[in-house]
Amino acid sequence: EPEVTQTPSHQVTQMGQEVILRCVPISNHLYFYWYRQILGQKVEFLVSFYNNEISEKSEIFDDQFSVERPDGSNFTLKIRSTKLEDSAMYFCASSNDAEGGYTFGSGTRLTVV
Amino acid sequence: AQTVTQSQPEMSVQEAETVTLSCTYDTSESDYYLFWYKQPPSRQMILVIRQEAYKQQNATENRFSVNFQKAAKSFSLKISDSQLGDAAMYFCAYRSARSGGKLIFGQGTELSVKP
Repeated sequence: EPEVTQTPSHQVTQMGQEVILRCVPISNHLYFYWYRQILGQKVEFLVSFYNNEISEKSEIFDDQFSVERPDGSNFTLKIRSTKLEDSAMYFCASSNDAEGGYTFGSGTRLTVV
Repeated sequence: AQTVTQSQPEMSVQEAETVTLSCTYDTSESDYYLFWYKQPPSRQMILVIRQEAYKQQNATENRFSVNFQKAAKSFSLKISDSQLGDAAMYFCAYRSARSGGKLIFGQGTELSVKP
């Protein structure tokens, strides 16, 4: 069964550094998403991406964040100047919008120290 | 704006028994999807079951079934013959039927299964 692949599975970074989280969505999916889950809390929507542009973003997704689909395969989330409160699990997901279905990746655990 | 509420932070069930997890939502839309996701300690998001709002019949997947009450905006999950492997965090989620709609999650219910 097709999978959404996320790398790395765990990343530790120093406060103030930039990180790039990578995702390979399912190849025939058209919609891509990033979600965030702070430990012990609910999963929160960050951004959706379609046709090479952001289609929707949440209040969390401020100028610190950016997304890119650089090569038609990868889908990346860049966090500039990381803060302690950016520590969370970041999930990538993709959808072909059939029957509302989503496929989630296994997540990247980001720890900012 | 749509919201999803899970009023049970924790639930417990005896192995082989049945448990029901509650979820309510608020929306002004008539067409949408509802989901239950399971999140084990690995924190991967695993789809348990999905319901289309236009379908009156409740979705069923093996031991998992839902009670979808559209007028009451209620979407509960019933787990029958509970197994130790069912222990996890369960999230209810809503998605608009419009193209590319985002998922809106509830706060989650931590389910423990006692042997």
